[in-house]
Formats: sequence, structure tokens, C-alpha cells
Amino acid sequence: NAGVTQTPKFRVLKTGQSMTLLCAQDMNHEYMYWYRQDPGMGLRLIHYSVGEGTTAKGEVPDGYNVSRLKKQNFLLGLESAAPSQTSVYFCASSKQGNSNQPQHFGDGTRLSIL
Amino acid sequence: SQKIEQNSEALNIQEGKTATLTCNYTNYSPAYLQWYRQDPGRGPVFLLLIRENEKEKRKERLKVTFDTTLKQSLFHITASQPADSATYLCALGGNKLTFGTGTQLKVEL
Repeated sequence: NAGVTQTPKFRVLKTGQSMTLLCAQDMNHEYMYWYRQDPGMGLRLIHYSVGEGTTAKGEVPDGYNVSRLKKQNFLLGLESAAPSQTSVYFCASSKQGNSNQPQHFGDGTRLSIL
Repeated sequence: SQKIEQNSEALNIQEGKTATLTCNYTNYSPAYLQWYRQDPGRGPVFLLLIRENEKEKRKERLKVTFDTTLKQSLFHITASQPADSATYLCALGGNKLTFGTGTQLKVEL
């Protein structure tokens, strides 16, 4: 039982390049989330999904797009990377969306934009 | 605006002592409060959840309190061990979770 798996683990991009971060969960969870974690800022919600085919904006959505074509996968895209997007990105999933449900996190993707 | 405060300074304690971490919040009335542990290079791991109508919750060596009047949660680790060294995050929720910045705990021999 792998839980939440993120790929890649590390990536270095040049400004203006695009890339997609992949998140996969094997717990049949309905809800999935993308966060970024920066020093002194804590985890900030970028986008989330309440089920297959649906997505919604979080606290810091600008510059990112997401897709949830399959229940187990949640993709985060950067169309034109900027240095301000250098961060550690975490994907999480939960059985339901209420905050009485624990979230299960992957181990992150460390992204550097030069 | 909503604000969650956790002590940004690391907490250093001796093995065997009780570690107490604080989570304060303002402009918020969360229905639930969660605590997570995060090790370097890893994602957060869920530890405990406490509801607004619960005063205290325990799990093995862990204890969480939730005081909605003081707008504060305390997280205790009794008989602390070096393996407890990590960063601990609190998270408050209504329909979505909002995370604090975390407090680093170092348990020394």
C-alpha cells in the first residue's frame, strides 16, 4: 500500500519552461489537494479536487493549473515557470473534504526555477 | 484575517521530559483541529484530531488540548525520545484545512 506517490521528487527548470507534477493515490479517496511549502509560510493550498473531473482554486492558484481525469490521479501544471514558484510541492488526499478527516501526504516534489 | 501562530523557535528538551507545543489562532472558529508531524524531506503525517467540543484527546504518549475560549491548542509528548525530534504542524479547519508554520522539536540525550 503506497499511499500517496509524487513524481518527480526533484526538478530544476528554467524560467518560462513548463512541467507537470503527478500525484497518485491508491486509497480510493475522493478529495485531493496540492500545496506548496515555503520557509516561514507553512503549507498553502494551491488547488484541490472534490472528485474525478472536478477542481477548485485554493489560496494561491495563480500560475498553476490542475486536472483530475482519473480518481486516483491529480496533476499540477506550471505553464510558464517563474522563480517565485521555487518551492516544495506536496500532494495530499482525504476520504472526504470535511476537516474532520485526516489528510495523507506524499513526500513532495522539490522544484527550483532558475 | 485568519491567523495561526506556532512558535518559530525550535524547542529543545531533554530525553524523558514532556514536550509542550503551542498553537494559537485568531479570527477563526474552527470545528476541528489537527496535529501533524513532519520529518526533514518528508510529507506531513497525521497524528491526532480534536473537535471543538472536546477538551482533551490522547493517543499513547501524545495529548492534545483544545481551548476555544483562549483560542489555543496545546500538544504534549510525554517521556520524549530522540525519535520524537521533528517539526509539528497544527491545522485548523472548517471546510478546508489551514496549516500553521510548525514548531521544530529537538529531543536531546
